Amino acid sequence: AQSVSQHNHHVILSEAASLELGCNYSYGGTVNLFWYVQYPGQHLQLLLKYFSGDPLVKGIKGFEAEFIKSKFSFNLRKPSVQWSDTAEYFCAVNAVNYGQNFVFGPGTRLSVLP
Amino acid sequence: GAGVSQSPSNKVTEKGKDVELRCDPISGHTALYWYRQSLGQGLEFLIYFQGNSAPDKSGLPSDRFSAERTGGSVSTLTIQRTQQEDSAVYLCASSLGVATDTQYFGPGTRLTVL
Repeated sequence: AQSVSQHNHHVILSEAASLELGCNYSYGGTVNLFWYVQYPGQHLQLLLKYFSGDPLVKGIKGFEAEFIKSKFSFNLRKPSVQWSDTAEYFCAVNAVNYGQNFVFGPGTRLSVLP
Repeated sequence: GAGVSQSPSNKVTEKGKDVELRCDPISGHTALYWYRQSLGQGLEFLIYFQGNSAPDKSGLPSDRFSAERTGGSVSTLTIQRTQQEDSAVYLCASSLGVATDTQYFGPGTRLTVL
């Protein structure tokens, strides 16, 4: 069975610090990759996604992620975080040959201190 | 436009009772997903509907769980003979159709089984 791991349960940063959240998955075939975010009191929403082409994808609010196939990774980055980035971040993987069954990671809670 | 809506927002029930959770997807979205989020866990895929095709039920944890989607729109998730371990937030999402499409999530139903 596929699985998704996220390296950090809770990350605390000061504003303007750089961010990298790790995501690794276990499936060896073709994958679609996603990062979703849940801001306090809001619904889950898409940050960015990768399904083909340039492995460096850019999303909303200055976020980007890089797909490294050899490392089965899809890490999320932002050069300078803001207090408003405080949220929970979920990595998700869809194995292309397994239909539309999505596997989500356990989430990383990001707290940005003003 | 209107997003995904779910009802009720909160449900408290006694062990052994049946519950029904409702999801109204975004109009025109052919794909509908149900997930479960337990405390401190990521999202656990439960079931997926795509148009008139047979649903992918591979994530349903037991035969006490079932779901239907009437007329390709509203979906109901039913849990029979609820157990305390069923306590979680149940999330519904819809998308235009294929796996690479963005999923739009509802606010969730928080189920508490006493």
